[in-house]
Amino acid sequence: DAGITQSPRHKVTETGTPVTLRCHQTENHRYMYWYRQDPGHGLRLIHYSYGVKDTDKGEVSDGYSVSRSKTEDFLLTLESATSSQTSVYFCAISEANTGELFFGEGSRLTVL
Amino acid sequence: AQSVTQLDSHVSVSEGTPVLLRCNYSSSYSPSLFWYVQHPNKGLQLLLKYTSAATLVKGINGFEAEFKKSETSFHLTKPSAHMSDAAEYFCVVSAKGPLNKFYFGSGTKLNVKP
Repeated sequence: DAGITQSPRHKVTETGTPVTLRCHQTENHRYMYWYRQDPGHGLRLIHYSYGVKDTDKGEVSDGYSVSRSKTEDFLLTLESATSSQTSVYFCAISEANTGELFFGEGSRLTVL
Repeated sequence: AQSVTQLDSHVSVSEGTPVLLRCNYSSSYSPSLFWYVQHPNKGLQLLLKYTSAATLVKGINGFEAEFKKSETSFHLTKPSAHMSDAAEYFCVVSAKGPLNKFYFGSGTKLNVKP
Protein backbone atom coordinates (compact mmCIF):
# COMPACT_ATOMS: atom_id res chain seq x y z
CA ASP A 1 0.00 0.00 0.00
CA ALA A 2 1.09 3.53 -0.75
CA GLY A 3 2.34 5.37 2.31
CA ILE A 4 -0.43 7.93 2.77
CA THR A 5 -1.70 8.89 6.19
CA GLN A 6 -4.64 11.17 6.81
CA SER A 7 -5.36 12.76 10.16
CA PRO A 8 -7.68 13.02 11.89
CA ARG A 9 -9.70 10.09 10.55
CA HIS A 10 -12.87 11.32 12.22
CA LYS A 11 -13.81 14.76 13.47
CA VAL A 12 -16.98 16.38 14.73
CA THR A 13 -16.97 20.14 14.97
CA GLU A 14 -19.35 23.06 15.18
CA THR A 15 -20.30 25.58 12.54
CA GLY A 16 -17.90 28.49 12.39
CA THR A 17 -14.87 26.73 13.82
CA PRO A 18 -11.63 26.27 11.88
CA VAL A 19 -10.61 22.76 10.86
CA THR A 20 -7.36 21.46 9.41
CA LEU A 21 -6.96 18.05 7.81
CA ARG A 22 -3.49 16.68 7.24
CA CYS A 23 -2.21 14.39 4.54
CA HIS A 24 1.23 12.89 4.95
CA GLN A 25 2.99 10.77 2.31
CA THR A 26 6.19 8.77 2.44
CA GLU A 27 6.39 8.15 -1.33
CA ASN A 28 8.03 11.44 -2.36
CA HIS A 29 5.37 11.88 -5.05
CA ARG A 30 5.15 15.26 -6.70
CA TYR A 31 1.38 15.63 -6.98
CA MET A 32 -1.06 15.70 -4.07
CA TYR A 33 -4.82 16.16 -4.13
CA TRP A 34 -7.74 16.74 -1.81
CA TYR A 35 -11.13 15.37 -2.82
CA ARG A 36 -14.47 15.31 -1.09
CA GLN A 37 -16.93 12.48 -1.51
CA ASP A 38 -20.66 12.97 -1.15
CA PRO A 39 -23.51 10.64 -2.10
CA GLY A 40 -24.51 11.08 -5.73
CA HIS A 41 -21.50 13.25 -6.57
CA GLY A 42 -18.62 10.81 -6.70
CA LEU A 43 -15.31 12.45 -5.88
CA ARG A 44 -14.88 16.15 -6.47
CA LEU A 45 -11.52 17.89 -6.52
CA ILE A 46 -11.07 20.63 -3.93
CA HIS A 47 -7.45 21.65 -4.39
CA TYR A 48 -4.32 20.05 -5.70
CA SER A 49 -0.58 20.61 -5.57
CA TYR A 50 2.01 20.04 -8.25
CA GLY A 51 5.00 20.82 -6.06
CA VAL A 52 6.10 22.46 -2.85
CA LYS A 53 4.26 25.78 -2.54
CA ASP A 54 2.58 25.16 -5.91
CA THR A 55 -1.16 24.70 -5.51
CA ASP A 56 -4.27 25.35 -7.53
CA LYS A 57 -8.02 25.24 -7.14
CA GLY A 58 -10.24 22.37 -8.13
CA GLU A 59 -13.93 22.40 -8.93
CA VAL A 60 -15.23 22.89 -5.37
CA SER A 61 -12.61 25.09 -3.73
CA ASP A 62 -14.85 27.75 -2.13
CA GLY A 63 -14.45 27.74 1.65
CA TYR A 64 -11.20 25.75 1.54
CA SER A 65 -7.53 26.64 1.50
CA VAL A 66 -4.43 24.46 1.26
CA SER A 67 -0.75 24.64 2.00
CA ARG A 68 2.21 22.54 1.03
CA SER A 69 5.43 23.66 2.70
CA LYS A 70 7.23 20.36 2.15
CA THR A 71 6.88 17.46 -0.24
CA GLU A 72 5.38 15.04 2.24
CA ASP A 73 2.61 17.17 3.76
CA PHE A 74 -0.51 18.70 2.22
CA LEU A 75 -2.88 20.51 4.58
CA LEU A 76 -6.52 21.29 3.90
CA THR A 77 -8.04 24.08 6.00
CA LEU A 78 -11.66 25.05 6.46
CA GLU A 79 -11.38 28.57 7.85
CA SER A 80 -14.95 28.59 9.16
CA ALA A 81 -16.68 25.26 8.83
CA THR A 82 -20.26 25.07 7.55
CA SER A 83 -22.73 22.19 7.58
CA SER A 84 -22.37 21.88 3.80
CA GLN A 85 -18.77 20.84 4.38
CA THR A 86 -19.86 17.70 6.19
CA SER A 87 -18.29 15.05 3.99
CA VAL A 88 -15.62 12.41 3.65
CA TYR A 89 -12.34 13.89 2.55
CA PHE A 90 -9.75 11.89 0.64
CA CYS A 91 -6.16 12.73 0.04
CA ALA A 92 -4.45 11.25 -3.02
CA ILE A 93 -0.97 11.30 -4.48
CA SER A 94 0.39 10.71 -7.94
CA GLU A 95 3.59 10.65 -9.91
CA ALA A 96 3.31 11.58 -13.57
CA ASN A 97 5.43 8.72 -14.89
CA THR A 98 3.19 6.05 -13.35
CA GLY A 99 -0.02 8.02 -13.86
CA GLU A 100 -2.25 6.48 -11.24
CA LEU A 101 -3.68 7.96 -8.07
CA PHE A 102 -3.07 6.42 -4.68
CA PHE A 103 -5.59 7.23 -1.97
CA GLY A 104 -5.55 7.61 1.75
CA GLU A 105 -8.19 6.01 3.96
CA GLY A 106 -10.29 9.16 4.21
CA SER A 107 -11.25 11.65 6.92
CA ARG A 108 -14.89 11.84 7.93
CA LEU A 109 -15.85 15.37 8.97
CA THR A 110 -19.16 16.25 10.56
CA VAL A 111 -20.06 19.91 11.03
CA LEU A 112 -22.96 20.44 13.43
CA ALA B 1 -11.79 19.18 -21.99
CA GLN B 2 -11.99 15.92 -20.12
CA SER B 3 -15.07 14.28 -18.63
CA VAL B 4 -16.36 10.87 -17.66
CA THR B 5 -19.88 9.48 -17.71
CA GLN B 6 -20.79 6.30 -15.90
CA LEU B 7 -24.00 5.21 -17.48
CA ASP B 8 -25.49 3.32 -14.54
CA SER B 9 -25.61 4.53 -10.95
CA HIS B 10 -26.63 1.05 -9.71
CA VAL B 11 -26.11 -2.41 -11.17
CA SER B 12 -27.43 -5.60 -9.62
CA VAL B 13 -26.28 -9.08 -10.66
CA SER B 14 -26.53 -12.56 -9.25
CA GLU B 15 -23.45 -14.32 -7.97
CA GLY B 16 -21.76 -16.26 -10.78
CA THR B 17 -23.21 -14.11 -13.60
CA PRO B 18 -21.23 -11.60 -15.71
CA VAL B 19 -20.66 -8.02 -14.65
CA LEU B 20 -20.71 -5.05 -17.03
CA LEU B 21 -20.12 -1.52 -15.73
CA ARG B 22 -20.24 1.11 -18.44
CA CYS B 23 -18.04 4.17 -18.83
CA ASN B 24 -17.81 6.75 -21.60
CA TYR B 25 -15.18 9.45 -21.64
CA SER B 26 -14.41 12.67 -23.39
CA SER B 27 -10.83 13.80 -23.81
CA SER B 28 -8.99 16.29 -25.96
CA TYR B 29 -5.80 14.26 -25.71
CA SER B 30 -4.79 10.64 -25.71
CA PRO B 31 -6.17 9.78 -22.30
CA SER B 32 -5.11 7.50 -19.53
CA LEU B 33 -8.11 5.66 -18.12
CA PHE B 34 -8.58 3.91 -14.80
CA TRP B 35 -11.10 1.92 -12.84
CA TYR B 36 -11.09 2.18 -9.07
CA VAL B 37 -13.09 0.20 -6.54
CA GLN B 38 -14.27 1.41 -3.15
CA HIS B 39 -15.58 -0.95 -0.51
CA PRO B 40 -17.72 0.51 2.26
CA ASN B 41 -15.87 2.90 4.56
CA LYS B 42 -12.64 2.37 2.69
CA GLY B 43 -10.39 4.36 0.40
CA LEU B 44 -10.24 3.80 -3.35
CA GLN B 45 -8.13 0.99 -4.77
CA LEU B 46 -6.88 0.76 -8.35
CA LEU B 47 -8.44 -2.09 -10.32
CA LEU B 48 -6.77 -1.48 -13.66
CA LYS B 49 -5.40 1.22 -15.93
CA TYR B 50 -5.05 1.93 -19.65
CA THR B 51 -2.11 4.04 -20.77
CA SER B 52 -1.99 3.58 -24.60
CA ALA B 53 -0.55 0.09 -24.69
CA ALA B 54 -2.86 -2.92 -25.21
CA THR B 55 -6.50 -1.95 -25.60
CA LEU B 56 -7.67 -4.90 -23.48
CA VAL B 57 -6.49 -4.31 -19.95
CA LYS B 58 -6.53 -6.97 -17.25
CA GLY B 59 -6.79 -5.97 -13.63
CA ILE B 60 -7.02 -7.48 -10.22
CA ASN B 61 -9.71 -9.92 -9.04
CA GLY B 62 -10.58 -11.08 -12.57
CA PHE B 63 -11.72 -7.70 -13.88
CA GLU B 64 -10.83 -6.41 -17.30
CA ALA B 65 -11.68 -3.41 -19.46
CA GLU B 66 -11.45 -2.66 -23.15
CA PHE B 67 -10.47 0.73 -24.51
CA LYS B 68 -12.52 1.54 -27.61
CA LYS B 69 -11.44 4.83 -29.09
CA SER B 70 -14.12 4.86 -31.79
CA GLU B 71 -16.83 4.54 -29.14
CA THR B 72 -14.98 6.62 -26.49
CA SER B 73 -15.75 3.83 -24.04
CA PHE B 74 -13.89 1.95 -21.33
CA HIS B 75 -16.35 -0.58 -19.95
CA LEU B 76 -15.43 -2.81 -17.03
CA THR B 77 -16.30 -6.50 -17.16
CA LYS B 78 -15.93 -9.66 -15.14
CA PRO B 79 -17.09 -13.08 -16.32
CA SER B 80 -18.45 -14.26 -12.99
CA ALA B 81 -19.46 -12.05 -10.08
CA HIS B 82 -18.48 -12.89 -6.53
CA MET B 83 -20.17 -11.62 -3.39
CA SER B 84 -16.95 -9.80 -2.47
CA ASP B 85 -17.28 -7.69 -5.67
CA ALA B 86 -20.13 -5.71 -4.11
CA ALA B 87 -18.72 -2.19 -3.92
CA GLU B 88 -18.75 1.15 -5.70
CA TYR B 89 -16.72 1.49 -8.89
CA PHE B 90 -15.32 4.68 -10.37
CA CYS B 91 -14.13 5.33 -13.90
CA VAL B 92 -11.42 7.98 -14.09
CA VAL B 93 -9.71 9.80 -16.96
CA SER B 94 -6.54 11.80 -16.79
CA ALA B 95 -5.12 14.23 -19.29
CA LYS B 96 -1.41 14.12 -19.84
CA GLY B 97 0.25 17.38 -18.94
CA PRO B 98 2.16 19.18 -16.21
CA LEU B 99 -0.84 19.49 -13.92
CA ASN B 100 -1.62 15.76 -13.94
CA LYS B 101 -5.35 16.21 -13.28
CA PHE B 102 -7.89 13.43 -12.93
CA TYR B 103 -11.61 13.45 -13.69
CA PHE B 104 -14.00 11.08 -11.95
CA GLY B 105 -17.27 9.57 -12.98
CA SER B 106 -20.08 9.69 -10.45
CA GLY B 107 -19.70 6.02 -9.58
CA THR B 108 -21.62 2.77 -10.06
CA LYS B 109 -22.74 0.75 -7.07
CA LEU B 110 -22.58 -2.95 -7.76
CA ASN B 111 -24.89 -5.22 -5.80
CA VAL B 112 -24.29 -8.96 -5.95
CA LYS B 113 -27.20 -11.19 -5.01
CA PRO B 114 -26.65 -14.68 -3.64
